[in-house]
Amino acid sequence: GAVVSQHPSRVICKSGTSVKIECRSLDFQATTMFWYRQFPKQSLMLMATSNEGSKATYEQGVEKDKFLINHASLTLSTLTVTSAHPEDSSFYICSAAAGTANEKLFFGSGTQLSVL
Amino acid sequence: GESVGLHLPTLSVQEGDNSIINCAYSNSASDYFIWYKQESGKGPQFIIDIRSNMDKRQGQRVTVLLNKTVKHLSLQIAATQPGDSAVYFCAEKWGYQKVTFGTGTKLQVIP
Repeated sequence: GAVVSQHPSRVICKSGTSVKIECRSLDFQATTMFWYRQFPKQSLMLMATSNEGSKATYEQGVEKDKFLINHASLTLSTLTVTSAHPEDSSFYICSAAAGTANEKLFFGSGTQLSVL
Repeated sequence: GESVGLHLPTLSVQEGDNSIINCAYSNSASDYFIWYKQESGKGPQFIIDIRSNMDKRQGQRVTVLLNKTVKHLSLQIAATQPGDSAVYFCAEKWGYQKVTFGTGTKLQVIP
């Protein structure tokens, strides 16, 4: 299957700092990528849909100014958690979509963010 | 047997037995279904998928069954191994809408 690389895998930061997470599709071009947040023992919660060359579409309740998404190329999307606070601590996962209806999702390995 | 934790139901099976993980999906219009496996600290991994025009699909050691009448999906794992221990998510999709994930089931394999 296709490979999606996500970095960093783990980050610890101080409250008030910003953290950037990268998601790269290594062997295919992804017009659409998705960003999820996952709390312990819970399912994946879609945060936003990232479309190459256009603005991201955010799910209800997700602050677009808090979670900045940039999808500047067909192989790279970034999520920046701005002015991070302890409540932003979570596991963040990206996926790159393929297929005619974006039904094939290939996931990154996730980023565990801990905000002190 | 099955137990319901704080958020995640758990299924415990003996190594070598068959596992059946169930999922109730929400949208009768969904036309594509996927099972994912997620190991601790990792992203989900595709296992098997099925379209709504089928009721059964088999892979290597895994079988997915779809019952559209009752909106039920199941994943059967034959001869369960310790490496199968993980959280399993079903997901559904309709048309060009986004993939929606179920709540997940934790599979514990007892050696």
